[in-house]
Amino acid sequence: GQNIDQPTEMTATEGAIVQINCTYQTSGFNGLFWYQQHAGEAPTFLSYNVLDGLEEKGRFSSFLSRSKGYSYLLLKELQMKDSASYLCAFNQAGTALIFGKGTTLSVSS
Amino acid sequence: DADVTQTPRNRITKTGKRIMLECSQTKGHDRMYWYRQDPGLGLRLIYYSFDVKDINKGEISDGYSVSRQAQAKFSLSLESAIPNQTALYFCATLAGDNEQFFGPGTRLTVL
Repeated sequence: GQNIDQPTEMTATEGAIVQINCTYQTSGFNGLFWYQQHAGEAPTFLSYNVLDGLEEKGRFSSFLSRSKGYSYLLLKELQMKDSASYLCAFNQAGTALIFGKGTTLSVSS
Repeated sequence: DADVTQTPRNRITKTGKRIMLECSQTKGHDRMYWYRQDPGLGLRLIYYSFDVKDINKGEISDGYSVSRQAQAKFSLSLESAIPNQTALYFCATLAGDNEQFFGPGTRLTVL
């Protein structure tokens, strides 16, 4: 079967670093995605990992371990505008993205 | 102009009515998708299409149908709307590098 899990909620303070974890199970893995979604808006692309390792893009980094079925999104120097839901998704054998339920991150001052 | 557009953006309807949600894209992508989003349940796949006339069921296709008459257009229909179909609906396309692009969403309320 296929499954994808991530924490429901996380809180952090401005300027801090937060790591959002994601675990998945699938028989046809073709990449792991992270999206950001503000309330009532469409998801926007953050990162894509298809090989093991860390991908860095400004304040955001994403890590993948295919053997462990594990990924994380690392957000540095948190800002209030980073308060949003973060969606982990895997590409199922090149057909469609299967999403987790999302992690709601609240950043406080 | 937005690459993926959806109409209407908001719709309130009554139980039993037929509803069509439309999606258009200018990205030239062959693959198009319909998802629904409910609080606490994330994005769930309804239907997807790899090309004109190609239709594939997703995780939650019951109660929905779709039509892909042109590469740029993918419509979602609710033949007889029911209250538990109240949700935020997103259309999306998939690029060759596997990045998914979303429309702005349609908020549907079924009374």
